[in-house]
Amino acid sequence: DTGVSQDPRHKITKRGQNVTFRCDPISEHNRLYWYRQTLGQGPEFLTYFQNEAQLEKSRLLSDRFSAERPKGSFSTLEIQRTEQGDSAMYLCASSLLQGPLEQYFGPGTRLTVT
Amino acid sequence: GNSVTQMEGPVTLSEEAFLTINCTYTATGYPSLFWYVQYPGEGLQLLLKATKADDKGSNKGFEATYRKETTSFHLEKGSVQVSDSAVYFCALSGSQGNLIFGKGTKLSVKP
Repeated sequence: DTGVSQDPRHKITKRGQNVTFRCDPISEHNRLYWYRQTLGQGPEFLTYFQNEAQLEKSRLLSDRFSAERPKGSFSTLEIQRTEQGDSAMYLCASSLLQGPLEQYFGPGTRLTVT
Repeated sequence: GNSVTQMEGPVTLSEEAFLTINCTYTATGYPSLFWYVQYPGEGLQLLLKATKADDKGSNKGFEATYRKETTSFHLEKGSVQVSDSAVYFCALSGSQGNLIFGKGTKLSVKP
């Protein structure tokens, strides 16, 4: 079992550019979550998928953010027209559909917007 | 809405000292409760969990008991090691299956 992987691990971009992150969950996990973590804070929920369906989006997910999970496998998170306030660690997690929904996290993608 | 409050850090202890990190929560219904740990340079790892009142989660010498009457889930360890230095996050399961985290407590253990 290879765990949750994320790519890239680090991304530096200029304000106004678009960026896309990828997450590969644990293979048998139906649910996939995206979180954002800023320095000194706990992760904050952005959105989640059950298989390929996006079931919930946080108010934190502005119109510039979009996430997809085609075929219920990997997921992508795109940020359009990045702003300096988007600088953060973007975390992906996955879980099984049943049970206490304990989530397993990837290493994160650190985004820096200059 | 649901929320988690953790004691603020940083917490600095000597090796073999007793550790308590306080966590209280506000929630509707009966959420599951979790402690996650983030070691320097690494991702979040699940440390322990409890799914109902009076459950005790334990792992690697750490324990936490789900106290419904005090809405608490305090993390304890009898004898900390330098390798326990990390940031610890308390979390509860939200109504949509997402996790709601506290701000984290940084623990530094000195030899």
